[in-house]
Amino acid sequence: AQSVSQHNHHVILSEAASLELGCNYSYGGTVNLFWYVQYPGQHLQLLLKYFSGDPLVKGIKGFEAEFIKSKFSFNLRKPSVQWSDTAEYFCAVKNTGKLIFGQGTTLQVKP
Amino acid sequence: NAGVTQTPKFQVLKTGQSMTLQCAQDMNHNSMYWYRQDPGMGLRLIYYSASEGTTDKGEVPNGYNVSRLNKREFSLRLESAAPSQTSVYFCASSERLAGGLEQFFGPGTRLTVL
Repeated sequence: AQSVSQHNHHVILSEAASLELGCNYSYGGTVNLFWYVQYPGQHLQLLLKYFSGDPLVKGIKGFEAEFIKSKFSFNLRKPSVQWSDTAEYFCAVKNTGKLIFGQGTTLQVKP
Repeated sequence: NAGVTQTPKFQVLKTGQSMTLQCAQDMNHNSMYWYRQDPGMGLRLIYYSASEGTTDKGEVPNGYNVSRLNKREFSLRLESAAPSQTSVYFCASSERLAGGLEQFFGPGTRLTVL
């Protein structure tokens, strides 16, 4: 069965620090990849997505992610985090129409 | 344009009680989904509906039933609630099932079963 693994469960950073959240998936075929964010008390929102083409995708709020097919990875990055980035981040893989989510990473940014 | 709406926002049940979670979307989407979110486990798919008139089991369907009432509405029913069903439930919709299309999520229902 497909699975998605997020290695960091809880990350604490200071403002202006760089962020990289790891995501690996198990499926070897064609996949669509997503990062969703859940701000405190809010519902999930799409940060960015990869379908095909350029493996470096840019999303909202300065986030980007790189799809590395050989490593089955889709890591999320941001050069300089802000306090408002405090949230839970979910990586997801879509195959046969259904999303498979990772366990989530809680990011806490200290002002 | 409200997107995906869910009712209720919060609910407390006793073991054995039943209830229905309501979900509606106004984006004319064909596909709808129900997930549960538990700490450290991400979101897990309970049931989904690829199109009006169809429903299918997801990863964790036991203890739940669904109804795709029409294109807009997709309800989730707990016939006999158990403490293991304490969770946050999210409804989502997308234009269609296949392809790399974004799913849009509702605000969630926080359910506690005592």
